[in-house]
Amino acid sequence: ETGVTQTPRHLVMGMTNKKSLKCEQHLGHNAMYWYKQSAKKPLELMFVYSLEERVENNSVPSRFSPECPNSSHLFLHLHTLQPEDSALYLCASSSQGAKGANVLTFGAGSRLTVL
Amino acid sequence: SQQGEEDPQALSIQEGENATMNCSYKTSINNLQWYRQNSGRGLVHLILIRSNEREKHSGRLRVTLDTSKKSSSLLITASRAADTASYFCATALYSSASKIIFGSGTRLSIRP
Repeated sequence: ETGVTQTPRHLVMGMTNKKSLKCEQHLGHNAMYWYKQSAKKPLELMFVYSLEERVENNSVPSRFSPECPNSSHLFLHLHTLQPEDSALYLCASSSQGAKGANVLTFGAGSRLTVL
Repeated sequence: SQQGEEDPQALSIQEGENATMNCSYKTSINNLQWYRQNSGRGLVHLILIRSNEREKHSGRLRVTLDTSKKSSSLLITASRAADTASYFCATALYSSASKIIFGSGTRLSIRP
């Protein structure tokens, strides 16, 4: 248990479904991240929410929609996904302070399969 | 475009030997970090080296950074079977500390 909890751990959904991934951190961090990890590909930064900025990877399709209601919770809303969206979705958090000290704590991931 | 690239993609060594993994990156960085991932799980932070540092040690880990060559190396000494995992370098961009970009990883296997 790292202090970053992701639910569900496994999700199977059809292309017409709407589902959400949830991430919660109890570390007092002030930044949260979504990464996508597909087989044989580098981790892809999808979204960042921090006190300083919100970062959005422009290559992420609009069928992925993030929501960060507060500094402890992060959601990834999914709708009309494609089979190629099947991947491990990793949430991370960090304490952003002085520049250069941004270390990520990851959750265990949510394994998504789109049929 | 991909910021970091690890080399080699896969490495298999005998237990007790040293393992060296390399990482190259493209843009100016604030710091460079190494993470470890056991199969299908989240990543775990190992060590961070700042852009003004050249070498750092932590237990059996030794990291070097050459900003002129935009490269880093991770050395694991006296490897153990439990070191079997994937290892990733990650760079925090100078232009945006929030953007932490990962390389493609090196898959390390330790043979008993």
